[in-house]
Amino acid sequence: DAGITQSPRHKVTETGTPVTLRCHQTENHRYMYWYRQDPGHGLRLIHYSYGVKDTDKGEVSDGYSVSRSKTEDFLLTLESATSSQTSVYFCAISRGGNTGELFFGEGSRLTVL
Amino acid sequence: AQKVTQAQTEISVVEKEDVTLDCVYETRDTTYYLFWYKQPPSGELVFLIRRNSFDEQNEISGRYSWNFQKSTSSFNFTITASQVVDSAVYFCALSEAGSNDYKLSFGAGTTVTVRA
Repeated sequence: DAGITQSPRHKVTETGTPVTLRCHQTENHRYMYWYRQDPGHGLRLIHYSYGVKDTDKGEVSDGYSVSRSKTEDFLLTLESATSSQTSVYFCAISRGGNTGELFFGEGSRLTVL
Repeated sequence: AQKVTQAQTEISVVEKEDVTLDCVYETRDTTYYLFWYKQPPSGELVFLIRRNSFDEQNEISGRYSWNFQKSTSSFNFTITASQVVDSAVYFCALSEAGSNDYKLSFGAGTTVTVRA
């Protein structure tokens, strides 16, 4: 979706290094989400944000932190990457209303060696 | 606890066959929303449909149709006369209005392969 961009789209890193993924939206929406996708698990919520500096944990938050210093950017940080964090990461926004429909970015493929 | 179960991991059909994807959900909320998303081989997630818990009418959109049954907590998806372009991973998802944060819980996905 053109309103959401993720960077980097692909990254290979080594165990123990820090990694930050960026999600940028151009639509000024309040709610943003980080999911990871793994075979056999579908998409699982890592963290989400409901406004600037307002974030909360999802079901698989261990090993991840997030920050949202401005409405348009939601950062996901792996402080010390592990091989179990090799995954495809998707950012999403909720475009408002009470229906819960999410729109997703193109995904960021992270490989931790 | 798993809130959304897609028991079928993979389905393979020949073009023009119909294919039905099962989705069973679990929630205590009386107001909730159900979704289907498609993920083609290119990797993006494409929204297909949203259904709220108060609307049990079946829906048809072209070759796609959805059957929502609260009595069995199911929201099944049928592709009629499948085509190769329907090959994708399909995800069912649930949003509970009581959580007030619009987050989605996804099933594990069903990979559909349509052979020419």
